[in-house]
Amino acid sequence: NAGVTQTPKFQVLKTGQSMTLQCAQDMNHEYMSWYRQDPGMGLRLIHYSVGAGITDQGEVPNGYNVSRSTTEDFPLRLLSAAPSQTSVYFCASSYYTGDTEAFFGQGTRLTVV
Amino acid sequence: AQSVTQLDSQVPVFEEAPVELRCNYSSSVSVYLFWYVQYPNQGLQLLLKYLSGSTLVESINGFEAEFNKSQTSFHLRKPSVHISDTAEYFCAVSGSGNTGKLIFGQGTTLQVKP
Repeated sequence: NAGVTQTPKFQVLKTGQSMTLQCAQDMNHEYMSWYRQDPGMGLRLIHYSVGAGITDQGEVPNGYNVSRSTTEDFPLRLLSAAPSQTSVYFCASSYYTGDTEAFFGQGTRLTVV
Repeated sequence: AQSVTQLDSQVPVFEEAPVELRCNYSSSVSVYLFWYVQYPNQGLQLLLKYLSGSTLVESINGFEAEFNKSQTSFHLRKPSVHISDTAEYFCAVSGSGNTGKLIFGQGTTLQVKP
């Protein structure tokens, strides 16, 4: 069972470049989310989705776009990368109700220069 | 709105000593509470959770946490730590029926020294 798979694991971008962080889960979870992790700030919610075709903003959505065309996939797009987006990004999935375990990917370490 | 505050950013402790990692939360609705652990260069894993019922919950590796509604706290404890417990620990909250959205604290780095 693969769980939550994130690609790539590492990425270096130049300011202004765009890229997509991929996230896929094979547990048929309705709920998927993206977090960024920065030192001393814990994990902050960027965007989330409660099912295919439904997305919403989290705490720090600026500079990021998401879409959810299938239950399995939830890509995160950086349209024009900025140094402030240097961070470790985690994708997570869980069932809808909020009382079950969230499963996390291994993370993507992104550096914007 | 919900929020989580972890009161210590780093907790150094010697092996076999007890440890407490503190977590306070704020919410206007009833909540579910979680502790997640992150080992170096890995994603987060669920350590334990409180949903309802007994206020003391335990993990399989000796950690326990107590839900205190009056103090809005969910502190994590272990009576005797091991080197392998060195990791970052995150307290998190989700509102009941809240679509699975988790709000995390800032994290506490537990450093177990030999």
